[in-house]
Amino acid sequence: QTVVTQEPSFSVSPGGTVTLTCGLSSGSVSTTYYPNWYQQTPGQAPRTLIYSTNTRSSGVPDRFSGSILGNKAALTITGAQADDESDYYCVLYMGSGIWVFGEGTKLTVL
Amino acid sequence: QVQLVESGGGVVQPGRSLGLSCAASGFIFSNHAIHWVRQAPGKGLEWVAVVSYDGSSKYYADSVKGRFTLSRDNSKNTVFLQMNSLRPEDTAVYYCASWGCSGTSCYAVEYWGQGTPVTVSS
Repeated sequence: QTVVTQEPSFSVSPGGTVTLTCGLSSGSVSTTYYPNWYQQTPGQAPRTLIYSTNTRSSGVPDRFSGSILGNKAALTITGAQADDESDYYCVLYMGSGIWVFGEGTKLTVL
Repeated sequence: QVQLVESGGGVVQPGRSLGLSCAASGFIFSNHAIHWVRQAPGKGLEWVAVVSYDGSSKYYADSVKGRFTLSRDNSKNTVFLQMNSLRPEDTAVYYCASWGCSGTSCYAVEYWGQGTPVTVSS
């Protein structure tokens, strides 16, 4: 079974730029996987940041952007802020109605 | 205001059943697919199931297929998740969320509900 891969953890300095990725254990991610990205802070429900590769939810600042980089989906945060410190999850459409989440990336801002 | 509110969680013994509800408001519910996603304590998100906008199509993760059943009532803006033969590994917070594509247009509700906790234990 194909696994959705994410970096377990990442660190960025305040004001810095970080790119989190979402890949496949076998194969390449493309727009046909309709990658979505979610932010979750401890004790809170997830929030949709990006859907369908690069469409930003209406309340999400443009510091967050989605793309395909090489063979992975990517979430880039520019000008990182302290309150960006969260867990970030991607989900991919595997076909036949099935979606699979990655295991998440814990982002630290320090 | 767009809102998704889950309810129905609780403590249940292994092998028993439980039904969850997801009530929506603030958007055209009958145009949107609804997903259920769960999160076990201290773990990541796991996609569980999705029902299409009109209820005609339903898909399930292998981990719940044959035990969980989705339905929806568009007149009440509500989706139901019937969970049978529950196992300890089904213990999680269950969230409903909405995302999908209709033709070339995709959508996603930004904020999820707060979830409803399910504990399967004897």
